Amino acid sequence: SQQGEEDPQALSIQEGENATMNCSYKTSINNLQWYRQNSGRGLVHLILIRSNEREKHSGRLRVTLDTSKKSSSLLITASRAADTASYFCAPDTGRRALTFGSGTRLQVQP
Amino acid sequence: DAGITQSPRHKVTETGTPVTLRCHQTENHRYMYWYRQDPGHGLRLIHYSYGVKDTDKGEVSDGYSVSRSKTEDFLLTLESATSSQTSVYFCAISEGLQGSYEQYFGPGTRLTVT
Repeated sequence: SQQGEEDPQALSIQEGENATMNCSYKTSINNLQWYRQNSGRGLVHLILIRSNEREKHSGRLRVTLDTSKKSSSLLITASRAADTASYFCAPDTGRRALTFGSGTRLQVQP
Repeated sequence: DAGITQSPRHKVTETGTPVTLRCHQTENHRYMYWYRQDPGHGLRLIHYSYGVKDTDKGEVSDGYSVSRSKTEDFLLTLESATSSQTSVYFCAISEGLQGSYEQYFGPGTRLTVT
């Protein structure tokens, strides 16, 4: 399967804390992407990390990639109530389509 | 939603009737996708298109057909709707440049089959 598997399935934290989500995959990739989905909405692309990169930052987001372990992590620092959403990883193998797992549901308590 | 619209946004239909969902983009992206999202299953790829009249099946294509006669439109047809096709359907687009398929999603269509 080309899809990523997110862990944990659900995460509840307090506002201001950091949230870490993990992704594992099984195939060789060109890049790995993270998406966010707010309730009832379409997915929104957050960040892309290429296979030759180990770490990437975007605002409060930090993504790491370990191709030897076929894993990635998404860290959201200083979380806000507005970060409450589901987060999905998508390994991009260059085969035209992405597949998505069931995601991590993040709840940030105000 | 990155120049992607879906219509209708909500639909209730009866078992056995044909249903067509439309995805329209203004970005001129080559690739277009249809996904369905159900509780406990995440997003599952139904069909995708890599150009006008060029389509391929995804992991859950049975009972669905697609057509793309213009770059901007990608239609998903449920030939004879069943209750198991009650779901939220998302369209997505991608440029597919340099082997990267970063996707942009539409707002979704909530379909209920009674």
